[in-house]
Amino acid sequence: QVQLVQSGAEVKKPGSSVKVSCKASGGTFSSYTISWVRQAPGQGLEWMGRIIPILGIANYAQKFQGRVTITADKSTSTAYMELSSLRSEDTAVYYCARDANYGDYALFDYWGQGTLVTVSS
Amino acid sequence: DIQLTQSPSFLSASVGDRVTITCRASQGISSYLAWYQQKPGKAPKLLIYAASTLQSGVPSRFSGSGSGTEFTLTISSLQPEDFATYYCQQLNSYPPGRTFGGGTKVEIK
Repeated sequence: QVQLVQSGAEVKKPGSSVKVSCKASGGTFSSYTISWVRQAPGQGLEWMGRIIPILGIANYAQKFQGRVTITADKSTSTAYMELSSLRSEDTAVYYCARDANYGDYALFDYWGQGTLVTVSS
Repeated sequence: DIQLTQSPSFLSASVGDRVTITCRASQGISSYLAWYQQKPGKAPKLLIYAASTLQSGVPSRFSGSGSGTEFTLTISSLQPEDFATYYCQQLNSYPPGRTFGGGTKVEIK
């Protein structure tokens, strides 16, 4: 059974950066892809990007290009999402999810519990 | 980027009702579509992938259909635990997008 456990809530000042972790257990981490999704209060889900740990390759949604960095540490089975130049609109719950392939089809089958990031002066 | 438009954004229904939610893609995505259910304060839960394949453990009252640009999620007989928000998601392989629709909130009438 795959489990994704995220780091705790953060409060950040505008203009600063935040780094959220997602530690995986169960399965083979290096064979996963991990995606990051955020959800602002009362809003929908927004995909930010993903990392393929075995290749060390990350892809980002256009909206976040240049401001988000997604990395992975295979030795600790942990993925990271760092968002810089924070503004109040970045206040959201940030989720990691396993971006899996069932045959030809991708899906998000396991999710972390979410990390609330609050940006406030 | 591929955009997904869900309709309706809000739906009021009673227990036992048949409910249908539509998701339209701005360009063809074959069957690279998934549906999720989210309850307040919880992470989303996968219901359907490949447009119509039920995820293991999901009740058979949920079904999905469609391909190309138009997709539907149907709940054949709404149960009290089904009141939640539902999202579609496209999972195109290239470019590697994972866009979500805007969501449909299903509330008790």
